[in-house]
Amino acid sequence: DQQVKQNSPSLSVQEGRISILNCDYTNSMFDYFLWYKKYPAEGPTFLISISSIKDKNEDGRFTVFLNKSAKHLSLHIVPSQPGDSAVYFCAASRRSTGNQFYFGTGTSLTVIP
Amino acid sequence: ETGVTQSPTHLIKTRGQQVTLRCSSQSGHNTVSWYQQALGQGPQFIFQYYREEENGRGNFPPRFSGLQFPNYSSELNVNALELDDSALYLCASSFYVAGGRNTQYFGPGTRLTVL
Repeated sequence: DQQVKQNSPSLSVQEGRISILNCDYTNSMFDYFLWYKKYPAEGPTFLISISSIKDKNEDGRFTVFLNKSAKHLSLHIVPSQPGDSAVYFCAASRRSTGNQFYFGTGTSLTVIP
Repeated sequence: ETGVTQSPTHLIKTRGQQVTLRCSSQSGHNTVSWYQQALGQGPQFIFQYYREEENGRGNFPPRFSGLQFPNYSSELNVNALELDDSALYLCASSFYVAGGRNTQYFGPGTRLTVL
């Protein structure tokens, strides 16, 4: 049972434009969410997180939005750069299981120069 | 600050064999989690170790077992290997505080191939 879903396997964006990566979840008990970026032959690298008490969190070019009623979160990258080309995973956890994270299947982002 | 390291990088085993994968936590971290990432999938939580004890387990059979050592390094052991165990095995470390939420930092992974 896939509790965290990323329905777009791939996304291509022109350099300088906005990249929007989406993630949906089914478990209403999830209350902490993270985005990771993964390059080939490397482990996932933490990007940004958001708690369910917020609906937005920013860190430089990266902003995560959380819509609890829709069980949806998105990662915005503005402006997109070629170095952002990677696979992006969203992950979720719930307080009762602490550090057990549930990951989506990933979206491969390609930023075209 | 030393990041999370894993060994070996690649491993080839045959069905029915046993394998041990190793992980060294990031400096200052006290918790290790192991994940299995099959091709085209996201990482799936196997289990987590905190203070040398299992602190949560995903939907994996008992032939997946682990250890955490006093220096917070960890091993993942898989017995009776099956073809479906072929995957990238990721280790992640964090500093766990009860009731808190802690970002996990991942190692580069071990690619296991079962023939």
